[in-house]
Amino acid sequence: GQQLNQSPQSMFIQEGEDVSMNCTSSSIFNTWLWYKQEPGEGPVLLIALYKAGELTSNGRLTAQFGITRKDSFLNISASIPSDVGIYFCAGRSHTSGTYKYIFGTGTRLKVLA
Amino acid sequence: EPEVTQTPSHQVTQMGQEVILRCVPISNHLYFYWYRQILGQKVEFLVSFYNNEISEKSEIFDDQFSVERPDGSNFTLKIRSTKLEDSAMYFCASSKGSGTNYEQYFGPGTRLTVT
Repeated sequence: GQQLNQSPQSMFIQEGEDVSMNCTSSSIFNTWLWYKQEPGEGPVLLIALYKAGELTSNGRLTAQFGITRKDSFLNISASIPSDVGIYFCAGRSHTSGTYKYIFGTGTRLKVLA
Repeated sequence: EPEVTQTPSHQVTQMGQEVILRCVPISNHLYFYWYRQILGQKVEFLVSFYNNEISEKSEIFDDQFSVERPDGSNFTLKIRSTKLEDSAMYFCASSKGSGTNYEQYFGPGTRLTVT
């Protein structure tokens, strides 16, 4: 089945540092999404990407849809303590007339004040 | 801002018992989904539902699982005879449409613990 590999698995960074994480797949996706999940909560959508090569920002977050449509990265600039959480990429798969999300393995981010 | 809600937040049940997890999708959304997340693992697709029928289901969604939209607001997931390995967070999601720009919005989840 389709799999998304995320790296790194976890990161410990100092407040104020920039963060970069990426997601790769052997399959092509037409949409890439980045979600953040905090303990005990559901995933919250951060950024959605719809076209190969697209670069989109949301505040301190920037994400890009890879040209090959098999990868995406997420950057967080000037991290703050509330950036702590697990970041998931997701690719949207279209089969049987419906869309479902294939989630990556997650990057656990910890920010040290 | 409208949001997906789920009840209960935590359900503890004994192995072999039936459980029903409830979701209220965003009111003008037409597509509904269930995902699960085993502790410490990634989120996995279970089933999608549109126009009162299942659109797609994963291999996880076996005969022990069923979904229903019993009225105009609720969307439920039933597990007929729970197993220990069903312990997980179950997330409901909904979207206004199916396709580009119709993103899925997730609820806060129900933590199911099977003992």
